[in-house]
Amino acid sequence: GAVVSQHPSRVICKSGTSVKIECRSLDFQATTMFWYRQFPKQSLMLMATSNEGSKATYEQGVEKDKFLINHASLTLSTLTVTSAHPEDSSFYICSARARGGTGELFFGEGSRLTVL
Amino acid sequence: AQKITQTQPGMFVQEKEAVTLDCTYDTSDPSYGLFWYKQPSSGEMIFLIYQGSYDQQNATEGRYSLNFQKARKSANLVISASQLGDSAMYFCAMREGQGGYNKLIFGAGTRLAVHP
Repeated sequence: GAVVSQHPSRVICKSGTSVKIECRSLDFQATTMFWYRQFPKQSLMLMATSNEGSKATYEQGVEKDKFLINHASLTLSTLTVTSAHPEDSSFYICSARARGGTGELFFGEGSRLTVL
Repeated sequence: AQKITQTQPGMFVQEKEAVTLDCTYDTSDPSYGLFWYKQPSSGEMIFLIYQGSYDQQNATEGRYSLNFQKARKSANLVISASQLGDSAMYFCAMREGQGGYNKLIFGAGTRLAVHP
């Protein structure tokens, strides 16, 4: 199956700093990538849809200035959590859909962010 | 309105037995797709099975089968011959419409514990 790689898998940072998470589709081109956030023991909540070469589409309630998404190429999308605070601590998962197929999403391994 | 409902927060099953995880959905779009994903404690999302709204037969993938009842808007996952490694969170998800931009919306999940 298609492979999506996410980096870093774990990151700990101080409050007020910015953190960048990368999501790469390794063996396919992904015109659309999705960023999800998952709190402990909860479901995945869609944050934004990232389209290559255009601005991301954010879900209601997600601060676009707080969570900067850049989809610079067909294989790379980045999520930057700006001025992180402890409440931003969460599990962030990216996913990508290959062209054609059933619409199945291939997920990265996830990134666990802890803000001290 | 909640689009994907998983009413079982937790389930347990004896090893080698079959188990059914419930999922109901709500959509007015005639074209949609239903997915099941498994999330072990490590966090990665593992695709299990897909059912398209126009598929005439229930989807099957090895030990996984999807009991698709369109009129009832249910898409229950059946795991046969449960194994200890099946212990994980299971998420039902729906994509409305066609096309690469359509996002997946996830249910709250069901935690399955397989007992020896």
